[in-house]
Amino acid sequence: QQQVKQSPQSLIVQKGGISIINCAYENTAFDYFPWYQQFPGKGPALLIAIRPDVSEKKEGRFTISFNKSAKQFSLHIMDSQPGDSATYFCAALRGTGRRALTFGSGTRLQVQP
Amino acid sequence: ETGVTQSPTHLIKTRGQQVTLRCSSQSGHNTVSWYQQALGQGPQFIFQYYREEENGRGNFPPRFSGLQFPNYSSELNVNALELDDSALYLCASSPVPRQGWTGELFFGEGSRLTVL
Repeated sequence: QQQVKQSPQSLIVQKGGISIINCAYENTAFDYFPWYQQFPGKGPALLIAIRPDVSEKKEGRFTISFNKSAKQFSLHIMDSQPGDSATYFCAALRGTGRRALTFGSGTRLQVQP
Repeated sequence: ETGVTQSPTHLIKTRGQQVTLRCSSQSGHNTVSWYQQALGQGPQFIFQYYREEENGRGNFPPRFSGLQFPNYSSELNVNALELDDSALYLCASSPVPRQGWTGELFFGEGSRLTVL
């Protein structure tokens, strides 16, 4: 059972454009929603995260928008750069005891110069 | 500060064999979890270790087992390897929070296992 659905599978954006990746979850017990960035040959690294008590969080060029009623959240990358080319995973966590992240299937982002 | 390190980086095994993967957690982190990442997929939670005991497990069969040592390093063992076990195995560490865990997991670069 896929508890976190991510789209699109791949995304091509021109330099300076906006990249948008969407995720939807099913389990209302999730209470922490991070985005991880993974470069080829590397492990995932935390990019930005949000808890469901806020609707938006911004860190530099990266923004998470969160819609609790729709059980959806999205990552916006403003002014996308070629260095942003990577695979992005949304994830969700239930509670803090067992640190088992449920990941989406990933979005491969390519930013063209 | 030393990050999460994993070994070996790549290995090839044949079906039915056994494999041991190793992980050294980031300094100050005493919780270790393991994830399996199949090609083109997101990581899937295998299990978590805290204070040398397994305290959470995903939907993986018993032939996936692990250990955590007093220095917080960890091993993932997989017996009776199957072709579908071919994947990147990621180790992630995190600290025990004093005032609430921030939620961040720190991943290593992974061990890529190929089963022929």
